[in-house]
Amino acid sequence: DIQMTQSPSAMSASVGDTVIITCRASQGIRNYVVWFQQKPGKVPKRLISAASSLHSGVPSRFSGSGFGTEFTLTISSLQPEDFATYYCLHHNSYPLTFGGGTKVEI
Amino acid sequence: EVQLVESGGGLVQPGGSLTLSCAASGFTFSAYWMSWVRQAPGKGLEWVANINEDGRDKYYADSVKGRFTIARDNAQKLVFLQLNSLRAEDTSVYYCAGIYCSGGSCSWFDPWGQGTLVTVSS
Repeated sequence: DIQMTQSPSAMSASVGDTVIITCRASQGIRNYVVWFQQKPGKVPKRLISAASSLHSGVPSRFSGSGFGTEFTLTISSLQPEDFATYYCLHHNSYPLTFGGGTKVEI
Repeated sequence: EVQLVESGGGLVQPGGSLTLSCAASGFTFSAYWMSWVRQAPGKGLEWVANINEDGRDKYYADSVKGRFTIARDNAQKLVFLQLNSLRAEDTSVYYCAGIYCSGGSCSWFDPWGQGTLVTVSS
């Protein structure tokens, strides 16, 4: 099974900061990564597909990159509404696995 | 309006069974793969199961294989998750989500339902 190791598990940031979250796959998964944002008590929201393709309606300050085993989610100029938990997911093969999550706190 | 609505959660004793349902509306249900994802209280997301458009192909997480069964009824626009031999560690909010595949690529996990809570406890 492919493991997704996400780091950091939590971080503190300020409005206006640039935040970088990393997911490392235990083996090559091409660009088969999706990034989600989840706020407390809310349903996960898809941000990025295919490692770097921004979902419709997602602000351009979110971006994704990577191929193979190393993937990053970057949030440029962090906004108050961006404080949330972020997850990566691989869909290269079954079983699908999520990363452990990154909580971005003020 | 695109919508998924889960139901069927509740309190069940260890070893017990439960069937979750997810009702779809506002999109062509029969064209979507469907998925169940769960989240234990205060924990991260865990993929549980997928089913393809016609219900023939099913995939499960190792943690639920042999205990949970995914199924669908395209006429009723419903997807189900049968949970058997439940354990305390199955306590989670269970979400259903859609996956649209076309031309060799897929749009993963959009939409999502609001989730239904399953609590396994004596």
